[in-house]
Amino acid sequence: EDQVTQSPEALRLQEGESSSLNCSYTVSGLRGLFWYRQDPGKGPEFLFTLYSAGEEKEKERLKATLTKKESFLHITAPKPEDSATYLCAVQDGRDDKIIFGKGTRLHILP
Amino acid sequence: DAGITQSPRHKVTETGTPVTLRCHQTENHRYMYWYRQDPGHGLRLIHYSYGVKDTDKGEVSDGYSVSRSKTEDFLLTLESATSSQTSVYFCAIGGQGAEGYTFGSGTRLTVV
Repeated sequence: EDQVTQSPEALRLQEGESSSLNCSYTVSGLRGLFWYRQDPGKGPEFLFTLYSAGEEKEKERLKATLTKKESFLHITAPKPEDSATYLCAVQDGRDDKIIFGKGTRLHILP
Repeated sequence: DAGITQSPRHKVTETGTPVTLRCHQTENHRYMYWYRQDPGHGLRLIHYSYGVKDTDKGEVSDGYSVSRSKTEDFLLTLESATSSQTSVYFCAIGGQGAEGYTFGSGTRLTVV
């Protein structure tokens, strides 16, 4: 059965304190792994797509990496405006089904 | 948001009544989706559409129906609302290829 597990559930960091969020997955064949950001009361906003192990994508203070079993979202020197819930999703290459994880709630303290 | 709007944004309804949520897009995307989001769960797919009058079920489709008579509009109907359908509903477009989904702002539905 396809599964996506995100950890930690919640993370509080001081401004400037770098850290990583984890997304581990089990899927028959990975077609793509997606990262989204969701602010309270809003819909998720697309950040990155990763396709194969070893791939990396960057956007401002965020960098996403991918291995055969997990993805990391690295946050470097975060600012309070990076506070949000970060969602991971994987697409199964066998049936194109997309499965979302439950998300990591990130809070950056000024 | 990139040309996708949901209405209403908030709704309170009584158990047993029918409810219709609307998703409207101006991006001419072929694919449209309805998801629900609940605490302790990831986003779960209710129904999706791959063209006008072409729809299919997702993983949590029981109690819901959809219609798509025009490319730009995708309607979600709760045939007889129950308290378990209290949730935040998101419409999305795209999802085919590298750009991922574009989500609407959501509809918060409360069934009392």
